[in-house]
Amino acid sequence: DTEVTQTPKHLVMGMTNKKSLKCEQHMGHRAMYWYKQKAKKPPELMFVYSYEKLSINESVPSRFSPECPNSSLLNLHLHALQPEDSALYLCASSQALRQGAETSEQYFGPGTRLTVT
Amino acid sequence: GIQVEQSPPDLILQEGANSTLRCNFSDSVNNLQWFHQNPWGQLINLFYIPSGTKQNGRLSATTVATERYSLLYISSSQTTDSGVYFCAGFTGGGNKLTFGTGTQLKVEL
Repeated sequence: DTEVTQTPKHLVMGMTNKKSLKCEQHMGHRAMYWYKQKAKKPPELMFVYSYEKLSINESVPSRFSPECPNSSLLNLHLHALQPEDSALYLCASSQALRQGAETSEQYFGPGTRLTVT
Repeated sequence: GIQVEQSPPDLILQEGANSTLRCNFSDSVNNLQWFHQNPWGQLINLFYIPSGTKQNGRLSATTVATERYSLLYISSSQTTDSGVYFCAGFTGGGNKLTFGTGTQLKVEL
């Protein structure tokens, strides 16, 4: 099973709302990722969790707050977003790496299409 | 800098035609993945191909790591092959994936 699931599929929120995106995998992966993809652009990395600890934050604004409550779940909490944050948000997972180890294939979920009004 | 470049940016094929997509990557990038993003946004894994050649049905890929390029071959194209094809490479000594700008493929009847 190489499935990563994401909920909701679509989300419309106002600039004063608080919402959360959810991601789940049952492949035993210990690395999970959030990417943001604007229309007609490639995905861009936002956050990396390795063994439930945040290992990479690509200078993402604090209105995006990631959380990894356990090895299967990854959340992205959203607060006070701007219209320019409207995008497709993709979650991915992979085998985690030890320092100096080779890379590991990433598997992506179907994404949450977010519109901020 | 970190670079993953793809060509061509756009491609229109008649059903049944063959095509080759190219990905060039810089010295700091390795261990490529190829993805197909369907019209609904799902990124589908095609190949994880650090080097050599792999085949999966009508698709095959070749990476020549020493020359910093990878090729994706699509044979006997079908309308369901339409979408965006991304190559992505790993950077920074870890699992940080950097995507190319993609090839938008449209297969027509």
